[in-house]
Amino acid sequence: GENVEQHPSTLSVQEGDSAVIKCTYSDSASNYFPWYKQELGKGPQLIIDIRSNVGEKKDQRIAVTLNKTAKHFSLHITETQPEDSAVYFCAARVNDYKLSFGAGTTVTVRA
Amino acid sequence: SAVISQKPSRDICQRGTSLTIQCQVDSQVTMMFWYRQQPGQSLTLIATANQGSEATYESGFVIDKFPISRPNLTFSTLTVSNMSPEDSSIYLCSATDRGLTQYFGPGTRLLVL
Repeated sequence: GENVEQHPSTLSVQEGDSAVIKCTYSDSASNYFPWYKQELGKGPQLIIDIRSNVGEKKDQRIAVTLNKTAKHFSLHITETQPEDSAVYFCAARVNDYKLSFGAGTTVTVRA
Repeated sequence: SAVISQKPSRDICQRGTSLTIQCQVDSQVTMMFWYRQQPGQSLTLIATANQGSEATYESGFVIDKFPISRPNLTFSTLTVSNMSPEDSSIYLCSATDRGLTQYFGPGTRLLVL
């Protein structure tokens, strides 16, 4: 099955700086890569996703890049704000519609 | 997008009892899933809930322990049977829309004493 590795496990940034989280996947057939944000006491919230026919996607302060050759994808958050503090999960999906998740990154934005 | 609600939001149960968690989606979805998230951990897929037929379970999860129903396109239940403290976890319902984008419910926080 698909194996997704996520780094770093924790990330502390100064407010206004950028945050980058990286994930690698094992199955070259994976074609869909969502990112979820989970705040304390809540369910995972989809924040951005990318499909395998696209190399980059941006939504305001959030961007995701995909390198299919190297089998890795990254989440970039610019101009971080305290409300960006949360746990972020990357995931990858092969054709059977099941998501495989990374271990998660705890992001702390220092004011 | 699909909006997913779960009931109950949390519960404290005695070992040996069972709890049924309900999941309701506000629109027709293609697939529904149940996940478990242990404290501080990532999400683990329990099973895919199939409409009108038996759920498809992942390795390590069995129907006798986690019976699942999906009577229609927008509703599913997960039962955690004969609970032990090791079942203390967050249980998450998830669904994919027609574009195969996957959304999650708020979760059910279960503590077994």
